[in-house]
Amino acid sequence: GAVVSQHPSRVICKSGTSVKIECRSLDFQATTMFWYRQFPKQSLMLMATSNEGSKATYEQGVEKDKFLINHASLTLSTLTVTSAHPEDSSFYICSALPTSGTPSGNTIYFGEGSWLTVV
Amino acid sequence: QKEVEQDPGPLSVPEGAIVSLNCTYSNSAFQYFMWYRQYSRKGPELLMYTYSSGNKEDGRFTAQVDKSSKYISLFIRDSQPSDSATYLCAASRGSYIPTFGRGTSLIVHP
Repeated sequence: GAVVSQHPSRVICKSGTSVKIECRSLDFQATTMFWYRQFPKQSLMLMATSNEGSKATYEQGVEKDKFLINHASLTLSTLTVTSAHPEDSSFYICSALPTSGTPSGNTIYFGEGSWLTVV
Repeated sequence: QKEVEQDPGPLSVPEGAIVSLNCTYSNSAFQYFMWYRQYSRKGPELLMYTYSSGNKEDGRFTAQVDKSSKYISLFIRDSQPSDSATYLCAASRGSYIPTFGRGTSLIVHP
């Protein structure tokens, strides 16, 4: 199956610093990638849709200046949490939609997720 | 009302039982239906997808969609402790972003 790699899988940072999370599609090109946030025992919350070569589209309530998204190539999107605070601690998951489409029409593939702890 | 509704559970069953996981949806334009499995502290992995109504079987798993009642089901036969996870259903309108249910926590105890 399609593979999406996310790095780092776990990161601890100090309050006020910035942290970058990478999402790579390893065996397919993805014009569109998605970033989700998930709190314990809660569902996935879509934060933003990232399109290669253009600005990300943020969901309502998500601060675009705090969560910077860059989709510089067809296989890489990055999420930078700027001036992180303890309340930003969460599980961040990316997913990718193959550019060439899939038999399912719109199946997205998820990364393994990144645990962010802000202390 | 959320577009895709799913009971969060938890659903606890003994090993070997048949598990039935269900979702309902409200948007009649949805055409693609997916089930993802998410183990604790991991990203979701695609289990099965179906297009429009009908059944699809893959080993111990059967996905079923009834568009007339807007009902999505996933059946797991001979459930195993390793099936313990959160199962998320999702639906989409072709080229649109999938809409996810909140997930059902399944516990299969030996």
